[in-house]
Amino acid sequence: AQSVTQLDSQVPVFEEAPVELRCNYSSSVSVYLFWYVQYPNQGLQLLLKYLSGSTLVKGINGFEAEFNKSQTSFHLRKPSVHISDTAEYFCAVSERSGGGADGLTFGKGTHLIIQP
Amino acid sequence: DAGITQSPRYKITETGRQVTLMCHQTWSHSYMFWYRQDLGHGLRLIYYSAAADITDKGEVPDGYVVSRSKTENFPLTLESATRSQTSVYFCASSGTGDAKNIQYFGAGTRLSVL
Repeated sequence: AQSVTQLDSQVPVFEEAPVELRCNYSSSVSVYLFWYVQYPNQGLQLLLKYLSGSTLVKGINGFEAEFNKSQTSFHLRKPSVHISDTAEYFCAVSERSGGGADGLTFGKGTHLIIQP
Repeated sequence: DAGITQSPRYKITETGRQVTLMCHQTWSHSYMFWYRQDLGHGLRLIYYSAAADITDKGEVPDGYVVSRSKTENFPLTLESATRSQTSVYFCASSGTGDAKNIQYFGAGTRLSVL
């Protein structure tokens, strides 16, 4: 079984400032890692994913994340945020052995609040 | 290009009633999933399906029933709704091969059980 911890339930940031949303996971097996974004009253949209290869992955809307196996982390970063980035962000994992077919385990989410 | 659609978007029901939430996808994806989203819990997996007529329990299956007679549909039924089932429900689907690692979500159904 695996678990995901998002350390911050809420992160306020000024517009055009950089931001990092933290995610740590726990698993006894190798995992795939994901970040999803949820805008108000909408479903989840995939921001980026780590399946294999380079540990630095780039996603949509200028976001990137780095997989750190030794620290079991997958932190999300953006160098300069915009008002439109205000949303809920979810980190998720799935077991490699299941090939992602047996569902995702999500963190509790981080609400990113962009202040003008 | 409909993608994955959920209906209804909003539903109010009473304790003890049966409720069915619908999920339909147009991609012919093999895998489909149901999650519930609650404050302080994130999203939790209820049931999932690898193909038509193949379903399996997730983390929180109690009180729910699923079926998958057709690849494109994956309805979720609350046989006797309880207040603790008040939540936002999300359906998701994913393809095969490497694509099965990427889940696409519907817009959700907000269910209130009074």
